[in-house]
Amino acid sequence: AQSVSQHNHHVILSEAASLELGCNYSYGGTVNLFWYVQYPGQHLQLLLKYFSGDPLVKGIKGFEAEFIKSKFSFNLRKPSVQWSDTAEYFCAVNAPGGYNKLIFGAGTRLAVHP
Amino acid sequence: DSGVTQTPKHLITATGQRVTLRCSPRSGDLSVYWYQQSLDQGLQFLIQYYNGEERAKGNILERFSAQQFPDLHSELNLSSLELGDSALYFCASSGRQESSYNEQFFGPGTRLTVL
Repeated sequence: AQSVSQHNHHVILSEAASLELGCNYSYGGTVNLFWYVQYPGQHLQLLLKYFSGDPLVKGIKGFEAEFIKSKFSFNLRKPSVQWSDTAEYFCAVNAPGGYNKLIFGAGTRLAVHP
Repeated sequence: DSGVTQTPKHLITATGQRVTLRCSPRSGDLSVYWYQQSLDQGLQFLIQYYNGEERAKGNILERFSAQQFPDLHSELNLSSLELGDSALYFCASSGRQESSYNEQFFGPGTRLTVL
């Protein structure tokens, strides 16, 4: 069965610091990978997605993620965070042919202090 | 605003009761997904419908059921409620074609509190 691990449950950063959130998945076949963000009191929004091609994916709001197949990883990065990035971040995976159901990681709560 | 609507926003009920959560997908989307977000289990996939037919099931309890109607809205029915069913229930929808490459758009969620 597929599973997703997010190693950092809580991250606290100061504004302008760089961010990297870890995500590893367990599934031997081809996967689609996603990062979603949930701002306080809001719904989940897609930050970026990887289906195939260039393993470095750029998303909205300056976020990017790198798919490393050999490490089963899809880490999220942002060079300089802002207070408005305070949110919970979820990594998710689905397998083609799996009817698009998403398997989510436990989430990482990011707090950015001014 | 994702275009997915969910009602009600909040629901408070007692153990043993039954509730119905409603979801309207984005215009034109044929797939609807239900997810449960709780403190101890995180975000878990419950069930998926495509154009009225059940497509996939996840960790959905037998006390829970869902359906998708001809107008494509969906309802999630939770019965014999227990304290542990307290959670945020999200609905998501995705595209006109049944594909695992479709982005899912999430609704604002229904927060269920069972007392």
